[in-house]
Amino acid sequence: NAGVTQTPKFQVLKTGQSMTLQCAQDMNHNSMYWYRQDPGMGLRLIYYSASEGTTDKGEVPNGYNVSRLNKREFSLRLESAAPSQTSVYFCASSELGEGGNEQFFGPGTRLTVL
Amino acid sequence: GQSLEQPSEVTAVEGAIVQINCTYQTSGFYGLSWYQQHDGGAPTFLSYNALDGLEETGRFSSFLSRSDSYGYLLLQELQMKDSASYFCAVGTGGFKTIFGAGTRLFVKA
Repeated sequence: NAGVTQTPKFQVLKTGQSMTLQCAQDMNHNSMYWYRQDPGMGLRLIYYSASEGTTDKGEVPNGYNVSRLNKREFSLRLESAAPSQTSVYFCASSELGEGGNEQFFGPGTRLTVL
Repeated sequence: GQSLEQPSEVTAVEGAIVQINCTYQTSGFYGLSWYQQHDGGAPTFLSYNALDGLEETGRFSSFLSRSDSYGYLLLQELQMKDSASYFCAVGTGGFKTIFGAGTRLFVKA
């Protein structure tokens, strides 16, 4: 089992460019999440999907969109990248989302916006 | 607003015991989790407390007091590989989790 996989691992964008970060999990989890982590800070929730077919905003959703393509895959899209979106992006999944218990994280995508 | 407070850095020697505290102020509370993250790596789950008391998993233990909005992670028999950042996180309900800023643990020989 690969767990949670993310692509790409690294990306450099120019201001205004768009891109989609891909995430997939093979643990048959219902809930999936996108976080960003800035230097010296904890993770902040961007969007989450409680189950296939549903998505909801987290703490910092502005400038992002998501798609829960199927139970396995949850993508994050930046329509017009800004330097403030330079960060490390982590995708996560959990079997039981309500309650905030164990989440499994992917290896992250390191994004730089120039 | 919602906040989790934990020390920014802790230093301890190999073989010692270290405690990392976390106090929280959130609009909802379902449980307190702890995650470990090595530099350049992904967070990995360590423990979860939904009820008051101590949970033990090998060298790691986690404690929760809901009445005090307080918890801690206890690491025993410290090893060099325990040098990492440790995050507390609160499940606030509705599938949302708030993370603290993290405590960087330095283990010295």
